[in-house]
Amino acid sequence: TQLLEQSPQFLSIQEGENLTVYCNSSSVFSSLQWYRQEPGEGPVLLVTVVTGGEVKKLKRLTFQFGDARKDSSLHITAAQTGDTGLYLCAGANNDYKLSFGAGTTVTVRA
Amino acid sequence: DVKVTQSSRYLVKRTGEKVFLECVQDMDHENMFWYRQDPGLGLRLIYFSYDVKMKEKGDIPEGYSVSREKKERFSLILESASTNQTSMYLCASSLEGTGHVEQFFGPGTRLTVL
Repeated sequence: TQLLEQSPQFLSIQEGENLTVYCNSSSVFSSLQWYRQEPGEGPVLLVTVVTGGEVKKLKRLTFQFGDARKDSSLHITAAQTGDTGLYLCAGANNDYKLSFGAGTTVTVRA
Repeated sequence: DVKVTQSSRYLVKRTGEKVFLECVQDMDHENMFWYRQDPGLGLRLIYFSYDVKMKEKGDIPEGYSVSREKKERFSLILESASTNQTSMYLCASSLEGTGHVEQFFGPGTRLTVL
């Protein structure tokens, strides 16, 4: 059973459109990380959110951590083909482990 | 830049073979991790190590063992490979600390067991 549920599993959009990826859990996490993985590579960290209600912006990407620290979302504005990849959320508490979601595969068409 | 390297990008082995996957990081990180990644299941933690010669089981350790004799190197061993161990294996490292700390991943080894 996945501790973190991501939706949708797949997303295909045209360049210039907006998209949102969701990450939900019944568990509370102390912090939540978002990674992006491109084909043939390992995941790379995009952002860490630590405070309930926190919103972080990274250029065209906006990350939000839910007030109860059980859910998060990633919104991409005016998607570009370079945004194509697998987006993974991962929750952390006060041990060494990260609990990963299954990921959302985003394809941005030119 | 942190660099995590894995010994092979692709590996094909036969059922019953002993398989070694090697991972090396060059940033003096204390923590190292081995995950497997399967479609629809995300990354699942096999083992991790927070210091030389120290190891702890992750969520799916059965059928695997690990070795960390030097700080920079973390090996994953499949004692007797089975077809259900066909997967993408990812190694990661991080600075000392809890899961809140960023993990740096290698490019992965795609293992096929026939």
